[in-house]
Amino acid sequence: AQSVTQPDIHITVSEGASLELRCNYSYGATPYLFWYVQSPGQGLQLLLKYFSGDTLVQGIKGFEAEFKRSQSSFNLRKPSVHWSDAAEYFCAVAPEYGNKLVFGAGTILRVKS
Amino acid sequence: NAGVTQTPKFQVLKTGQSMTLQCAQDMNHNSMYWYRQDPGMGLRLIYYSASEGTTDKGEVPNGYNVSRLNKREFSLRLESAAPSQTSVYFCASKLAGVAKNIQYFGAGTRLSVL
Repeated sequence: AQSVTQPDIHITVSEGASLELRCNYSYGATPYLFWYVQSPGQGLQLLLKYFSGDTLVQGIKGFEAEFKRSQSSFNLRKPSVHWSDAAEYFCAVAPEYGNKLVFGAGTILRVKS
Repeated sequence: NAGVTQTPKFQVLKTGQSMTLQCAQDMNHNSMYWYRQDPGMGLRLIYYSASEGTTDKGEVPNGYNVSRLNKREFSLRLESAAPSQTSVYFCASKLAGVAKNIQYFGAGTRLSVL
């Protein structure tokens, strides 16, 4: 069965500092991987996705993520965090033409000014 | 560009009451989903509808029913609400048979059952 682990429940970083949110997955075939962001009181917005090809993918709002097959990881990064990045971030995995996404438990990002 | 619209945004129920959460999408998507979000548990799939006329159980279907009214609308019903159903409910939709399983989410319904 597919599963996604986000080891960090909460992360606090200073504004302007770099950020890395961890995501590990368990999936039998080549996964399709996603990062979603949820601002307080809002729905989920797709940040970026990995389907195939270049293992470093760029997303919106200056985020990027790197797929590492050997480590079963898809970590999200941003070189310089802004206060508006404070939100909850979800990693998810899915098959190509399947119907279901499996989500991790989420990481809450707090940004210190 | 409305996308996925959920109503209501907030609801308080008493134990045993019933209610229906509404979801509509205007993107001509084939598949629609209902999730619940609980702290520390991410989003868990309740039911989904791969296409108009079909529905299937997800990970946590007990206590819920769904109706795919037409291609646009997918409702979630709580027949007899319980405190354990206090949660935030999200509806999502996507195109079927097309790469690559990108789901689009509504803003959520925050439900409290007292």
